Amino acid sequence: QKEVEQDPGPLSVPEGAIVSLNCTYSNSAFQYFMWYRQYSRKGPELLMYTYSSGNKEDGRFTAQVDKSSKYISLFIRDSQPSDSATYLCAMTGTASKLTFGTGTRLQVTL
Amino acid sequence: EAQVTQNPRYLITVTGKKLTVTCSQNMNHEYMSWYRQDPGLGLRQIYYSMNVEVTDKGDVPEGYKVSRKEKRNFPLILESPSPNQTSLYFCASSRLKLGNSPLHFGNGTRLTVT
Repeated sequence: QKEVEQDPGPLSVPEGAIVSLNCTYSNSAFQYFMWYRQYSRKGPELLMYTYSSGNKEDGRFTAQVDKSSKYISLFIRDSQPSDSATYLCAMTGTASKLTFGTGTRLQVTL
Repeated sequence: EAQVTQNPRYLITVTGKKLTVTCSQNMNHEYMSWYRQDPGLGLRQIYYSMNVEVTDKGDVPEGYKVSRKEKRNFPLILESPSPNQTSLYFCASSRLKLGNSPLHFGNGTRLTVT
């Protein structure tokens, strides 16, 4: 079993929809949780990060962490075609290693 | 501009021919790391370095070498490449504490070993 599980998609939604992306994990030592966005032919870039449980909002993006359920989510409101990318969850409990999900490919259509 | 630069972007080589992928960052970051990205497996860490002359294995180090002689550079060396090392490789850097400091990624090196 992988430490981090993420539905690979692809997920196709119309412009303006609310998107929910999720990851589950098994390692209780994870404390920091991140979402990276990766456009085609580019390296991943950090979108959101949260420490421990709770919510964090940044514009159209909201990250949620539920440590009791070992479940994290990223919500995108009013999705735009420019949001079309692969979204990777990542987490760490140490300073040396990030463990990534396999990524969910999102397509926002006009 | 703050960036991580990898070269080359694309590389096709044959089994057994030694190669080096270079990585350089201009942000004075202590931490650097190499990942490979494969369909269905995601990003997996190959090696990382917490500072100059300090390197350690990640999850998939077999068949790879690294060195960190200078803070800005972290080359990835494949002494005898094999077809199972065909992959998309990313170099990344960060300030030391990964949890609250983002990993900055290069744009990747697509390696094909025939």
